[in-house]
Amino acid sequence: QKEVEQNSGPLSVPEGAIASLNCTYSDRGSQSFFWYRQYSGKSPELIMFIYSNGDKEDGRFTAQLNKASQYVSLLIRDSQPSDSATYLCAVLRSNTGKLIFGQGTTLQVKP
Amino acid sequence: KAGVTQTPRYLIKTRGQQVTLSCSPISGHRSVSWYQQTPGQGLQFLFEYFSETQRNKGNFPGRFSGRQFSNSRSEMNVSTLELGDSALYLCASSLGLSGYNEQFFGPGTRLTVL
Repeated sequence: QKEVEQNSGPLSVPEGAIASLNCTYSDRGSQSFFWYRQYSGKSPELIMFIYSNGDKEDGRFTAQLNKASQYVSLLIRDSQPSDSATYLCAVLRSNTGKLIFGQGTTLQVKP
Repeated sequence: KAGVTQTPRYLIKTRGQQVTLSCSPISGHRSVSWYQQTPGQGLQFLFEYFSETQRNKGNFPGRFSGRQFSNSRSEMNVSTLELGDSALYLCASSLGLSGYNEQFFGPGTRLTVL
């Protein structure tokens, strides 16, 4: 079992729809959770981070964390073609302090 | 403010050689992390340096090493290169430790081992 798991996709949604990206992790003591976006041929850039259970909203993006079920998700409302990218989930392991990245989910938003 | 810079951007080496990659963090950032990115394995953590000290190390063989200088610039060295070391090597800097701060990634060094 990988420490951080994401469905590689591609996840295809029509423009204007809600895209839902999911990430599960194995270390129950994990503390910090990050979502990075990586466009093809570019480097990752941070979209959001979340530390506490519940939802955190930033513009069209909402991160949801459920520590009991060990998953974190990213919702993108009103998806745009410019949102087409690979979304990487990263989790901070509490016992080692290492930031572990998932394989990423490729999102395609079709006009 | 200048972003994270990495040199060289592209490198071609042959098996058995060694290579040194350089990373200059954003001014004021004290943490530098290194990652290896391949299509099959994704983004894998190599090590993190903070204030010239290695704070964490990933599951890579001892051929992979690094260091950080007093100005926070960092270098990564790979000795006795293998074909499987071909990858994009990314460095990222942050104000504090990566697990608690936003990381800013450099453009990467594309290493090809022949």
